[in-house]
Amino acid sequence: DTGVSQNPRHKITKRGQNVTFRCDPISEHNRLYWYRQTLGQGPEFLTYFQNEAQLEKSRLLSDRFSAERPKGSFSTLEIQRTEQGDSAMYLCASSSVTKSTDTQYFGPGTRLTVL
Amino acid sequence: AQTVTQSQPEMSVQEAETVTLSCTYDTSENNYYLFWYKQPPSRQMILVIRQEAYKQQNATENRFSVNFQKAAKSFSLKISDSQLGDTAMYFCASSYSGGGADGLTFGKGTHLIIQP
Repeated sequence: DTGVSQNPRHKITKRGQNVTFRCDPISEHNRLYWYRQTLGQGPEFLTYFQNEAQLEKSRLLSDRFSAERPKGSFSTLEIQRTEQGDSAMYLCASSSVTKSTDTQYFGPGTRLTVL
Repeated sequence: AQTVTQSQPEMSVQEAETVTLSCTYDTSENNYYLFWYKQPPSRQMILVIRQEAYKQQNATENRFSVNFQKAAKSFSLKISDSQLGDTAMYFCASSYSGGGADGLTFGKGTHLIIQP
């Protein structure tokens, strides 16, 4: 069990550019979540996958945001036409529906700064 | 919709003391789960303890225990014999049944500082 990994750890971009983040969940976990965390706040849920199916999307996930999990393993989160308000830590978590606890395990996050 | 409220933005105690972090929540669900997560300065979120709402017995994990008051919708975390490594942000969170079919709802967090 190598834990949830996220890349890159830091991303600085200019307003209007597109960015893509990657999340690799714990290998046997079939559920994957994306959260956004701004300074001084708790994480806010963005979206959730079970295997390759995106089953839930928060109203926070505007049309500029898209997430994929093409083979039910790693996931990508893309933000198009970034805005300064997108600056935040983007957290990924995974869990296993087959385990009774179904606890979410978090990655270290990708910190996005939009200039 | 669920809401989670943590009313203590920051707390500071001496090493080896016992500290209690407060959390209240609101939900219309009967089957839900409550969690405490710790986020150290390195910022990776770690699960501290979880409680199933249908269980009356309070969860414990070594030095960490909860006081779950379902009627009052209160879920406080007690840390006994606090250690310097307990310094971190602590987030209370809730979810609907199973903790997986939807996202977690987090409070704003409590910054706990353990003084030597």
